[in-house]
Amino acid sequence: AQSVTQLDSQVPVFEEAPVELRCNYSSSVSVYLFWYVQYPNQGLQLLLKYLSGSTLVKGINGFEAEFNKSQTSFHLRKPSVHISDTAEYFCAVSDRSTDKLIFGTGTRLQVFP
Amino acid sequence: DTGVSQDPRHKITKRGQNVTFRCDPISEHNRLYWYRQTLGQGPEFLTYFQNEAQLEKSRLLSDRFSAERPKGSFSTLEIQRTEQGDSAMYLCASSYGVLYEQYFGPGTRLTVT
Repeated sequence: AQSVTQLDSQVPVFEEAPVELRCNYSSSVSVYLFWYVQYPNQGLQLLLKYLSGSTLVKGINGFEAEFNKSQTSFHLRKPSVHISDTAEYFCAVSDRSTDKLIFGTGTRLQVFP
Repeated sequence: DTGVSQDPRHKITKRGQNVTFRCDPISEHNRLYWYRQTLGQGPEFLTYFQNEAQLEKSRLLSDRFSAERPKGSFSTLEIQRTEQGDSAMYLCASSYGVLYEQYFGPGTRLTVT
């Protein structure tokens, strides 16, 4: 069975500082990896995804993530955050036989001025 | 493309009552998914459809839950004899298929009193 662990439930950071949101997954088969963002009172929005190929994936809003197979990680990074990045971020995994998503518990990113 | 819509956005019901939620996917999306999100948790997969066929159901989906997608377009999720533990946000998503992005609706928040 697959699972996703987001080690940090909350990450406070000041505006314009860099940030890394950590995600580790567990799976016995090859997986696809995703990061979604959820703004207050809005639906989930895809930030980026890793399907295959280059391990460094660039997404929307200046976010990027790196797939590390040996460490089973898919950490999300942004070099300089904005107030508007304040939201809940979810890491998710799916396997190649079904595209249902298995989500982590989420990390709340709080950006302070 | 008006996005995935869900109706109602909020539902308050008394324990023991039946409720039905509706999801309208993005037109031409073949796949439709239902997830449930409780406070402080990531979304959990419930079930999904390929056109009108229900392909997979999670063990989370007890006998009190039923989902349909009669004509391969909109879908309904019914909960019979609601319990307080059913209180959650019910999310719907749609996609063209495997490897394609799942687009999420805003969700229906259910409160069972």
